[in-house]
Amino acid sequence: DIQMTQSPSSLSASVGDRVTITCRTSQTITTYLNWYQEKPGRAPKLLIYGTSTLQNGVPSRFSGGGSGTDFTLTISSLQPEDFATYYCQQSYTTPLTFGQGTKVEIK
Amino acid sequence: QVQLQESGPGLVKPSQTLSLTCTVSGRSISTDDNYWTWIRRRPGKGLEWIGYIYFRGNTYYNPSLESRLTISVDTSKNQFSLNLNSVTSADTAVYFCVSQDSRGYFFDYWGQGTLVSVSS
Repeated sequence: DIQMTQSPSSLSASVGDRVTITCRTSQTITTYLNWYQEKPGRAPKLLIYGTSTLQNGVPSRFSGGGSGTDFTLTISSLQPEDFATYYCQQSYTTPLTFGQGTKVEIK
Repeated sequence: QVQLQESGPGLVKPSQTLSLTCTVSGRSISTDDNYWTWIRRRPGKGLEWIGYIYFRGNTYYNPSLESRLTISVDTSKNQFSLNLNSVTSADTAVYFCVSQDSRGYFFDYWGQGTLVSVSS
């Protein structure tokens, strides 16, 4: 199975901050990397697929990058509604696997 | 708007079978664009992909669960189901039903999730 390692596991930030979350995979996955946002009591939401394509309706302050084994999710200017947990997921090969999550908290 | 809703018992006894159904609305389950997937999150652990079914009945299971797992589809009801047998406390989790893009293998719509506890 492809192992997914996110860093950091949590972070504290202020509204307006630029935030970057990293996801590293145990083997190359080209650009088959997706990002999700989860808020307590709500279903996870697809943010980005194929490393950098924003899902319909996702604000442009979210962006994704990387290739091979190293990927990033960046929020250019953190908004109050962005405080949540973020997961990466590889879709290169089955079994599909997820990172352990990064919790973004209010500083 | 695509919506998925899980249903089933919230408590299952050890060694018995965990059974859940997902009802899909807003999209026909008989589409080439999606696979229909189950994902779970066990307490203190990350998300785990369980497996998927295509509307024609083709399945793919996580090898870690394959020996205990059956996923089925009922196109007439626009539903798909999960059966996991011989459960233990390690199967206690929030179970999500999810639509999976059939080309990109990402998860575009999720149910709210349902907590299933395995306990006597």
